Amino acid sequence: EIVLTQSPGTLSLSPGKSATLSCRASQSVTSDYLAWYQQKPGQAPRLLIYGASSRANGIPDRFSGSGSGTDFTLTVSRLEPEDFAVYYCQQYDRPPWTFGQGTKVEIK
Amino acid sequence: QVQLVQSGAEVKTPGSSVKVSCKASGGTFSTFSINWVRQAPGQGLEWMGDISPMFGKANYAQKFQGRVTITADESTTTSYMELSSLRVEDTAVYFCARERRVHEPVFGSWGQGTLITVSA
Repeated sequence: EIVLTQSPGTLSLSPGKSATLSCRASQSVTSDYLAWYQQKPGQAPRLLIYGASSRANGIPDRFSGSGSGTDFTLTVSRLEPEDFAVYYCQQYDRPPWTFGQGTKVEIK
Repeated sequence: QVQLVQSGAEVKTPGSSVKVSCKASGGTFSTFSINWVRQAPGQGLEWMGDISPMFGKANYAQKFQGRVTITADESTTTSYMELSSLRVEDTAVYFCARERRVHEPVFGSWGQGTLITVSA
């Protein structure tokens, strides 16, 4: 199965700064079948990005995704208070669909 | 926009089984696969399997093969996930999630989650 490794584990930033989150795959993810989710405590995950770089409906343009092959990035520009959460990447290239272990973005 | 509403929290003993429901409303049920994802306390997300309501065909992660059964009832627009031979380490929040587009297992809609606690 494809193993996704996210880094860093925790990112401490102030509101207004930018966050750069990494997701590395153990095998190449073809056709950029890579998604990103945001999860807040006690809530279900929310889809942010699919196809490595396409924003889901209603997602602000401060969220952007990039990358291909084995290296993918989620960038959150100008962090808002509601952006502090845990972020997961997910590959849907080959079953079983797998998730990274998550990156927590916390307020500094 | 589809809404997924799951059944309530349960406490189970080791060796027993649990069946969680996920009722869909506000969208087309049959066409889109329903997936089940779990999250142990303080841990990440783990995909368990999915089902195509239209075809009734389920796929399972190898880790859960033989212990999980996912079904779908088109008449009630409800999917079910049954996990048997429960272990303490099965304690988790179980989510159902619908794919965003047909044959694209990106999860655009999620249920609220169901906490299953396995304890002696």
